[in-house]
Amino acid sequence: AQSVTQLDSHVSVSEGTPVLLRCNYSSSYSPSLFWYVQHPNKGLQLLLKYTSAATLVKGINGFEAEFKKSETSFHLTKPSAHMSDAAEYFCVVSDLPKLSFGAGTTVTVRA
Amino acid sequence: DTGVSQDPRHKITKRGQNVTFRCDPISEHNRLYWYRQTLGQGPEFLTYFQNEAQLEKSRLLSDRFSAERPKGSFSTLEIQRTEQGDSAMYLCASSLDIGQNTEAFFGQGTRLTVV
Repeated sequence: AQSVTQLDSHVSVSEGTPVLLRCNYSSSYSPSLFWYVQHPNKGLQLLLKYTSAATLVKGINGFEAEFKKSETSFHLTKPSAHMSDAAEYFCVVSDLPKLSFGAGTTVTVRA
Repeated sequence: DTGVSQDPRHKITKRGQNVTFRCDPISEHNRLYWYRQTLGQGPEFLTYFQNEAQLEKSRLLSDRFSAERPKGSFSTLEIQRTEQGDSAMYLCASSLDIGQNTEAFFGQGTRLTVV
């Protein structure tokens, strides 16, 4: 079975500073990886997905993630945090036919 | 069709009662999934349908849980004899079957509270 581990349960950043959310994966084959965001009282929204076409993946709202096979990592970054980025973020691996979610990272943005 | 819709958004029930949730997927999607999310955790897979066929069930889905997808359109998830441990957010998602890179679209969920 495929799985992911999110290394931080909570990340707090100041507005305008970089955000880094860490994720390691475990997979017996080349994985498909995703980052989803969940805002309060809203559904899960896809930020970006890795499909083996390129190791650096750009997503919505200025987020990007880099797939590193040697480190089995898929960390999510954003150069400059905005107040609207405060949310729960999930690293996800495709474990066909379903998705396997990490435990989530709560992002807090300080003004 | 603007996305996956779930009804109700919130449900409070007494222990021992039965509850039923509904999910309407994106109309052209042939796969439909149910997940459960408890506080502080990521969603956990419960079951999925390919059209009207239920193809996989998680061991989390006890015999008190049943899901249906008649005619391959909307789906219902029923929980019989609810227990306090059933309190959670129940999420529905749908997708097109295009392999490993398929994006799943999620509804806003039904929050169940068993008192």
